Amino acid sequence: EAGVAQSPRYKIIEKRQSVAFWCNPISGHATLYWYQQILGQGPKLLIQFQNNGVVDDSQLPKDRFSAERLKGVDSTLKIQPAKLEDSAVYLCASSLELGRGVKTQYFGPGTRLLVL
Amino acid sequence: AQSVTQLDSHVSVSEGTPVLLRCNYSSSYSPSLFWYVQHPNKGLQLLLKYTSAATLVKGINGFEAEFKKSETSFHLTKPSAHMSDAAEYFCVVSDLRGTYKYIFGTGTRLKVLA
Repeated sequence: EAGVAQSPRYKIIEKRQSVAFWCNPISGHATLYWYQQILGQGPKLLIQFQNNGVVDDSQLPKDRFSAERLKGVDSTLKIQPAKLEDSAVYLCASSLELGRGVKTQYFGPGTRLLVL
Repeated sequence: AQSVTQLDSHVSVSEGTPVLLRCNYSSSYSPSLFWYVQHPNKGLQLLLKYTSAATLVKGINGFEAEFKKSETSFHLTKPSAHMSDAAEYFCVVSDLRGTYKYIFGTGTRLKVLA
């Protein structure tokens, strides 16, 4: 079974530029998550989708970050404009379960972003 | 509110000796708990999970963890460390209501000495 795919793996941009990351979850997984992992910290949830609807985006900086999952499968996370403090690894995860109950999340390899 | 505390930011062990990575949690409800491992430049891989069944949970690569409600702990152990175990380990709590979102600890970096 193919895992969660992410691209690109690495990206270097200058501040105030824009950048986009792509994620393709495990086939059949209804829930998709984007996390930000700053060096030396645990991942922080940015946004959670169930199918193509947003479940939780309370920690997404909406003035510069946006995300979509138009067809309920793959997803794009965008930053515009980027700031130095956005340098981090952006992880995508997906889970199978719907409704109530524990959802085991499976993670992609991440996109490492460096903002200069 | 749920939270998780990993008591050691760095742990060093010699190859072949036991590993203990400590995790304490706080949860208003019965939690689900997970341990993930992250090797350099890799994503997070699930080691094991506790979801209110057996309190001793066995995972991959010889790791196991014991859920102790009275101590609010979920420590990760392995009898004998291998060089390939060197990585970052994250303890995660997920409450059983709402969005079931993950709350991550700050991580423990395990170093294995030859």
